[in-house]
Amino acid sequence: TQLLEQSPQFLSIQEGENLTVYCNSSSVFSSLQWYRQEPGEGPVLLVTVVTGGEVKKLKRLTFQFGDARKDSSLHITAAQPGDTGLYLCAGAASGTYKYIFGTGTRLKVLA
Amino acid sequence: DVKVTQSSRYLVKRTGEKVFLECVQDMDHENMFWYRQDPGLGLRLIYFSYDVKMKEKGDIPEGYSVSREKKERFSLILESASTNQTSMYLCASTRDLYNEQFFGPGTRLTVL
Repeated sequence: TQLLEQSPQFLSIQEGENLTVYCNSSSVFSSLQWYRQEPGEGPVLLVTVVTGGEVKKLKRLTFQFGDARKDSSLHITAAQPGDTGLYLCAGAASGTYKYIFGTGTRLKVLA
Repeated sequence: DVKVTQSSRYLVKRTGEKVFLECVQDMDHENMFWYRQDPGLGLRLIYFSYDVKMKEKGDIPEGYSVSREKKERFSLILESASTNQTSMYLCASTRDLYNEQFFGPGTRLTVL
């Protein structure tokens, strides 16, 4: 069974701090997505990475796909209260129709 | 504005009841999914449908069935609800596999 482990599970930081969330697996994925979910809502896609070593930036968020396509990281620079939410990674293996979701990282940014 | 809607935001049912959760998407997507979300477990796939009347089991299909009679609508059925089915249920759709999944707001189901 493929597993995606995220760390840390919970993170509470002050506004302006930087943070990194990790998503790790022993399996290789053909692509990996990051979603953010706010309370009472469904997850919303932030980014998709498909190439080993790929780095994508979305304003203050930087996403990296590992060279071996088994892991990914999300780095937030100068976090703001609006970044508060549940961050989920989801990986798709080649030849399958489904994404495996990570366990999630719950981030709280305090003003 | 693309949309996935779910029939209820909150639902309370009793053990043994038959429960219907409905999901509608307005994006003409081929693929639709039902997940359940539990703390510490992430999202787990219950069933997936890639076309009308076509379905495939996900990772945790036991105790659930699905129906897709029209392209835009995907229903999740709990034939006889049990307390361990208390959870948040999320529906999603996507045009192509491996592309963005659009999620509904979720239905928080409590089975007493």
